[in-house]
Amino acid sequence: AQSVAQPEDQVNVAEGNPLTVKCTYSVSGNPYLFWYVQYPNRGLQFLLKYITGDNLVKGSYGFEAEFNKSQTSFHLKKPSALVSDSALYFCAVRDGNAGNMLTFGGGTRLMVKP
Amino acid sequence: GAGVSQSPSNKVTEKGKDVELRCDPISGHTALYWYRQSLGQGLEFLIYFQGNSAPDKSGLPSDRFSAERTGGSVSTLTIQRTQQEDSAVYLCASSPPGQGLVNEQYFGPGTRLTVT
Repeated sequence: AQSVAQPEDQVNVAEGNPLTVKCTYSVSGNPYLFWYVQYPNRGLQFLLKYITGDNLVKGSYGFEAEFNKSQTSFHLKKPSALVSDSALYFCAVRDGNAGNMLTFGGGTRLMVKP
Repeated sequence: GAGVSQSPSNKVTEKGKDVELRCDPISGHTALYWYRQSLGQGLEFLIYFQGNSAPDKSGLPSDRFSAERTGGSVSTLTIQRTQQEDSAVYLCASSPPGQGLVNEQYFGPGTRLTVT
């Protein structure tokens, strides 16, 4: 079975500081990893994905994520946070060897304070 | 262009009633997904449609839940004899053809279902 863990319910960071939102996963095959963001009263939006290749993936709005196979992690990062980045972030994984299911983590609320 | 649309945006129903939720995917997208997001929870996969293939129903929580996709486009999720634990936001997503299951998904705004 595949699973995703987002160990922090909430992350607080000051505007201008770097941010990290953590994600670890478990799959039996090759992982396909995704980050989505949910702004208040809006649908989920795709940020970035890792399928294969470079471990550092760059996405929308200046976000990036690093795939670490040995630690089974895919942490989301941004060098300088903006107040407008405040939202709910979801990590998701699909097992490349098993089915159509995309499994989401429980979400992490990012609060960026001015 | 137009994104994924869902209707209604909100639905309040009495326990035991049937409800139908509608999803209009992005034109040309062959894959369509339904998820359920309960309060304070992550997204729970319900069902997946890909073109004319048989749907993957592995995430449906009970036989009260069913979904159809007519003509490879619009989808309807039906919940029969609703229970209070069915209260959640139901999200629909679609993704384009090509690259199979590694495509990103485009989500609709969701339907908030409240069962009283």
